[in-house]
Amino acid sequence: KNQVEQSPQSLIILEGKNCTLQCNYTVSPFSNLRWYKQDTGRGPVSLTIMTFSENTKSNGRYTATLDADTKQSSLHITASQLSDSASYICVVIPDSNYQLIWGAGTKLIIKP
Amino acid sequence: GAGVSQSPSNKVTEKGKDVELRCDPISGHTALYWYRQSLGQGLEFLIYFQGNSAPDKSGLPSDRFSAERTGGSVSTLTIQRTQQEDSAVYLCASSFSSGEQYFGPGTRLTVT
Repeated sequence: KNQVEQSPQSLIILEGKNCTLQCNYTVSPFSNLRWYKQDTGRGPVSLTIMTFSENTKSNGRYTATLDADTKQSSLHITASQLSDSASYICVVIPDSNYQLIWGAGTKLIIKP
Repeated sequence: GAGVSQSPSNKVTEKGKDVELRCDPISGHTALYWYRQSLGQGLEFLIYFQGNSAPDKSGLPSDRFSAERTGGSVSTLTIQRTQQEDSAVYLCASSFSSGEQYFGPGTRLTVT
C-alpha cells in the first residue's frame, strides 16, 4: 500500500532557530514529491516540487531534500519566523497519476 | 486573478440532514478535485473532474456522497443523510490539466 509518513507529529521551536521535518514514503514509482504549508483554516499552499531525479530544492528559507534510494525527504526551515507556524505536509504523486498521496503533516509552532 | 473559493466557510448541520458544499475554481482550470481532511489526518481524495471526461469517483466513501460540476466550472459536493463521521474540512482544488493544484480555504462541516 502506498504510504507517506511524517515525523515528528508536532514540533515547538523558538523564533530564529532552524528545524528539519522528515518524510518517509513507500510510493513507487513516483512522479514527484511536494511539500505544502497549511496555515490554520486555510488550504495547503505548495512550497517545493521535486522530481525523482532532484536531490534538493530551495524556496527562500525552505530547503527540501530528496533521497530516492532510501525513499526519504526532509524540509529544512532556516531562521524560523512566527509566520512559519503551520502544518507542513509531504505529498507524493505516483507516476502518471493525479491522485496525490498525502502525509498527515507535522504541526510546527514557533514561539517568540 | 482570484483563487479558488469555497462556500460556506463553516456549516453546522444535524445528523440526517443533507448538505451542499460549493467550489468556484480558478477561471480556466480544467481539473477540479475534492478532498476531505479529518482532524490529525492527511487529505483524503474524494473525486476528480477533468474537462468533459467522466469524473473519477473512486474516493467517495459511500453513496451518500455525490458531486457535480456544471459547465466545466463551479462544482457542488452533496452529502445526503449526514452522519457524525462526516464532520471534517472539505477542500477543493483546481489545476490546469494534472498540474499544480491550487486549494481553496475549505468548508468546515460539523454534524451534530
